[in-house]
Amino acid sequence: EVQLVETGGGLVQPGNSLKLSCATSGFTFSTAWMNWIRQTPGKRLEWLAQIEDKSNNYFISYLESVKGRFTISRDDSKSSVYLQMNNLKEEDTAIYYCTRDYGYNSLFDYWGQGVMVTVSS
Amino acid sequence: DIQMTQSPSSMSASLGDRVTITCRASQDIGNYLSWFQQKPGKSPRRMIYGATNLAAGVPSRFSGSRSGSDYSLTISSLESEDMAIYYCLQSIQYPYTFGAGTKLELK
Repeated sequence: EVQLVETGGGLVQPGNSLKLSCATSGFTFSTAWMNWIRQTPGKRLEWLAQIEDKSNNYFISYLESVKGRFTISRDDSKSSVYLQMNNLKEEDTAIYYCTRDYGYNSLFDYWGQGVMVTVSS
Repeated sequence: DIQMTQSPSSMSASLGDRVTITCRASQDIGNYLSWFQQKPGKSPRRMIYGATNLAAGVPSRFSGSRSGSDYSLTISSLESEDMAIYYCLQSIQYPYTFGAGTKLELK
């Protein structure tokens, strides 16, 4: 059974940092391209970042507005993907989801349960 | 960035109705269009991929279609379990972008 479980959310003050983790199981993580997507309080969905697999040199793409503040990374030995978020702003308040692109016709077919990040003083 | 204009933003319909939700892409996205369903407190669920392909486990009353730059999700006969927010997504170009969502409610 495919599972993705996000952890690491919480309440943080503006300007601070937070690191999200997404532990996965049930598929060959090392060949998956992994993504982070967030959902704002207004229910808008926003794609944030993708990290490809080793065969693609772990190529990374970011949403322009988070580039330089957010860093996606992965540890294939732990079947996990991470999102380091620095200099957080109130507008980063959202539910953060990890999801996968597992090759042909499998874009975003499985999602984690999401983790809440609240940025507030 | 590619803009996905989704309509309507909300709608109410009766059980058994035929319902159609539309997304228009600001530039050519081919068939790189997916539809997602989200129920309260749950993660999005993929319903349609490649504009017209039904995802695994999705009831056959759901279908996707394309006419030029307009993409549609149709529910042929609405059931109570279909009440949710529906989103489209383009995945031809980074950043991937979602439509703003359509909230489907029971009349």
